[in-house]
Amino acid sequence: DIQMTQSPSSLSASVGDRVTITCRASQSITIYLNWYQQKPGKAPKVLIYAASSLQSGVPSRFSGSGSGTDFTLTISSLQPEDFAAYYCQQTYSTPYTFGQGTNLEIK
Amino acid sequence: QVQLVQSGAEVKKPGASVKVSCRASGYTFTDYYIHWVRQAPGQGLEWMGWIITNSGGTNYAQKFQGRVTMTRDTSISTAYMELNWLTSDDTAVYYCARGNFKTVLRGVVTDRLYYFDSWGQGTLVTVSS
Repeated sequence: DIQMTQSPSSLSASVGDRVTITCRASQSITIYLNWYQQKPGKAPKVLIYAASSLQSGVPSRFSGSGSGTDFTLTISSLQPEDFAAYYCQQTYSTPYTFGQGTNLEIK
Repeated sequence: QVQLVQSGAEVKKPGASVKVSCRASGYTFTDYYIHWVRQAPGQGLEWMGWIITNSGGTNYAQKFQGRVTMTRDTSISTAYMELNWLTSDDTAVYYCARGNFKTVLRGVVTDRLYYFDSWGQGTLVTVSS
C-alpha cells in the first residue's frame, strides 16, 4: 500500500496568513493526488484534484502543486471559514490512501 | 444538483452485520463509480472500496475483503455497503462518495485519475454490546 504522510499534523495560524501543508507519498504517484477539507461533523469536500486542478466553486486562494512524491497545498490568505482539517489522498493505486490529516486552528 | 443521501444511524452488537444505503440524485447514476470511506471517531479517512454502478463490479480494500459487500440497484439509483462480523473497531461514520475523474496520460495509455467530488452526509455505525 502507498503511505501518505502529511506535515504538520496541526498548525495554528491567523486570518490573512499564508499557509502551506505538505504531503509525501511512499512511492511516486505522479499527479494522482487530491486534497480535501473537512469541517467538524461534515463530510469532506474536494479542493484540489490531480495535484493542481482547482475544483469548481473553490476559492482561488487555494492552490496545489507537486508531482512524484512531494506535494503541497497552499492557502494564500487564510479566511475564518478555512479553519478545518485537511487531507491528501492518492488515487494512483488501490487501496486509495489518505494522509493522517492536518488540523488548521486559529492562533 | 448532485446529491447523495445516506440511511440513518445504526447501533449494532458485535458479530452483527450492517447495511448502509446511498441514494443518488441530480446525475446519471451509472456514469460514475460509488466509493465508500469510513472515519472512526477522532480519526482520519479510510477508503473501503468502490462499486462500478454500471456493471456492479467491485474493488475492495484488502483489509475488508471477505467482510464487505458493495451492491447497487440502478432502478432506484442507490448503492449499498454491507459490513459483516462487526467489532467495536468498526464504530465509525461511513460515507459514500461519487468518483469523478480526470482523464490523464499514464505512460502510453489514457487513464482515469479519480477524485471524490460529492459525498453523502455520513452514517454513524456504533458497535457496542
